[in-house]
Amino acid sequence: DQQVKQNSPSLSVQEGRISILNCDYTNSMFDYFLWYKKYPAEGPTFLISISSIKDKNEDGRFTVFLNKSAKHLSLHIVPSQPGDSAVYFCAASAFKAAGNKLTFGGGTRVLVKP
Amino acid sequence: DTEVTQTPKHLVMGMTNKKSLKCEQHMGHRAMYWYKQKAKKPPELMFVYSYEKLSINESVPSRFSPECPNSSLLNLHLHALQPEDSALYLCASSPSANYGYTFGSGTRLTVV
Repeated sequence: DQQVKQNSPSLSVQEGRISILNCDYTNSMFDYFLWYKKYPAEGPTFLISISSIKDKNEDGRFTVFLNKSAKHLSLHIVPSQPGDSAVYFCAASAFKAAGNKLTFGGGTRVLVKP
Repeated sequence: DTEVTQTPKHLVMGMTNKKSLKCEQHMGHRAMYWYKQKAKKPPELMFVYSYEKLSINESVPSRFSPECPNSSLLNLHLHALQPEDSALYLCASSPSANYGYTFGSGTRLTVV
């Protein structure tokens, strides 16, 4: 049972345009959501997160939108740059005092073309 | 220091070997994690240590044995592994609930 899904395995976008990555989840207990970027043979790098009490969080070129009623979140990258080419993972967690389990989506491979 | 350091970066071991993966962080994080990632798959949680105590074991086979000697160190002891255990093993830490993890760069393990 995949609780976090990224239905687009890959995305190709022109440099300077917007990249939109989507993520859906099924567990209504999730209350914190994160996006990670991963290059081959490296660990995931934290990009941006959002708490379930918000519907938008912005950090530079990255904006995450959360639609709780639809159990859907998206990551917008604008403008896209060639260095953004990587695999992007959506992840979700449910609150615990310490030591959270992150449940990851399957990832979306983004290719930004110059 | 804002990093999680994992050693070694690469490890090749035979099925009868015993080896250990090491993870270190000096950010004062009180939760530490082991994840396993196979090619083209998302990371999958193996173990969570919270305040140096094992709090989550995701039904991992006993040939993987975690250890948390202190708040900065996390080890994963490996014994009698199988070729299908070959993967990228990621360590991570977090300060508390609902903070983004910091991941290490991983140990690429190959079991022959």
